[in-house]
Amino acid sequence: DAGITQSPRHKVTETGTPVTLRCHQTENHRYMYWYRQDPGHGLRLIHYSYGVKDTDKGEVSDGYSVSRSKTEDFLLTLESATSSQTSVYFCAISRQSPLGTDTQYFGPGTRLTVL
Amino acid sequence: AQKVTQAQTEISVVEKEDVTLDCVYETRDTTYYLFWYKQPPSGELVFLIRRNSFDEQNEISGRYSWNFQKSTSSFNFTITASQVVDSAVYFCALSEADTQGSNYQLIWGAGTKLIIKP
Repeated sequence: DAGITQSPRHKVTETGTPVTLRCHQTENHRYMYWYRQDPGHGLRLIHYSYGVKDTDKGEVSDGYSVSRSKTEDFLLTLESATSSQTSVYFCAISRQSPLGTDTQYFGPGTRLTVL
Repeated sequence: AQKVTQAQTEISVVEKEDVTLDCVYETRDTTYYLFWYKQPPSGELVFLIRRNSFDEQNEISGRYSWNFQKSTSSFNFTITASQVVDSAVYFCALSEADTQGSNYQLIWGAGTKLIIKP
């Protein structure tokens, strides 16, 4: 258990509305990630954070923004949701092993449907 | 560019059969890490194994074993004597360092859906 929670777990919204997903961790990890999972694509990185107020774009960042004002919380915002953003969203933290290798551990996911 | 290919979209076997899931990767990095994750029907992502590029020793964990071959850029996963509880989607992933050199971003394969029939 990596101590990661995501909220909400399920959300249905309408096209054009703003949506914010929250990821909360309890272990004070520096790196946090947001991925989306779609059939046939595996997971694709949206944004990641390497510290408070330090974020960077991933592979599929268009239409998404993130914020990290506290170590424990990483927020993903869809400013104006579109149907193409219907997906399952996973948050992850990166836990470093004694060898310095990072392994990512995932939250339970949020299923977002945009009508 | 880094890439992970899991050519088997879906595999179906009868319980107790052995099954191998293939993973082929591409990278120009000399230092990299390979991972396998399991996603059962309940949806969570479960870390199974991490292997670094300098360690080609095969690994066995109970009924699970992994075969890493740099010569063929493959990191295959075998389940021996499969059980219904092994039914899941299995993902292979490759990590690379970001521009700061201190973090590893994951490149994911599309996953293989494994169905174990009783």
